[in-house]
Amino acid sequence: NAGVTQTPKFQVLKTGQSMTLQCAQDMNHNSMYWYRQDPGMGLRLIYYSASEGTTDKGEVPNGYNVSRLNKREFSLRLESAAPSQTSVYFCASSATGTGNEKLFFGSGTQLSVL
Amino acid sequence: QKEVEQDPGPLSVPEGAIVSLNCTYSNSAFQYFMWYRQYSRKGPELLMYTYSSGNKEDGRFTAQVDKSSKYISLFIRDSQPSDSATYLCAMTPGGGNKLTFGTGTQLKVEL
Repeated sequence: NAGVTQTPKFQVLKTGQSMTLQCAQDMNHNSMYWYRQDPGMGLRLIYYSASEGTTDKGEVPNGYNVSRLNKREFSLRLESAAPSQTSVYFCASSATGTGNEKLFFGSGTQLSVL
Repeated sequence: QKEVEQDPGPLSVPEGAIVSLNCTYSNSAFQYFMWYRQYSRKGPELLMYTYSSGNKEDGRFTAQVDKSSKYISLFIRDSQPSDSATYLCAMTPGGGNKLTFGTGTQLKVEL
């Protein structure tokens, strides 16, 4: 049972380059999320998708775009990477998106922007 | 001031010790309280879930919520080296509002 799968696990970019982080879940969850985790800042929500076909901004959406490709997949795109986007990125999913339910996290993508 | 405050540690204890991890918060609307455990280079996983005030026990773990003081705690009894991880508190008012996470406390249990 894979749960939430993220690719890639590590990535190094130069300033201005673009990339897409991929996320897929196999638990038939309706809601999916992208977080970033920085030292001293905790987990901060970038974007979320309450259900297939919908996306909404979280706390720190600037510089990112997302696509809910289908119920299983939710991708995060950096169009023009900046050093401030150096972080660890986590994808998560939950059954219904009510906010007070268990989140299932992937193993993360460690991104460095030089 | 952050909505949720958590001492980052690191906290180092000997095996078998009782560990107390804490978070304070400022938003009186928070009703649901969670503790996530995160091992190095892994994603967080839910450890404890509490609604409103009171205690909840699960094996060696006890979660405590004091809404009057806006203070939550996680106690670990008979701590083991396998408990070495970062512990994140998280909370929400519910009703569709997303979780607010603390910054996490790094715990190391030494042999």
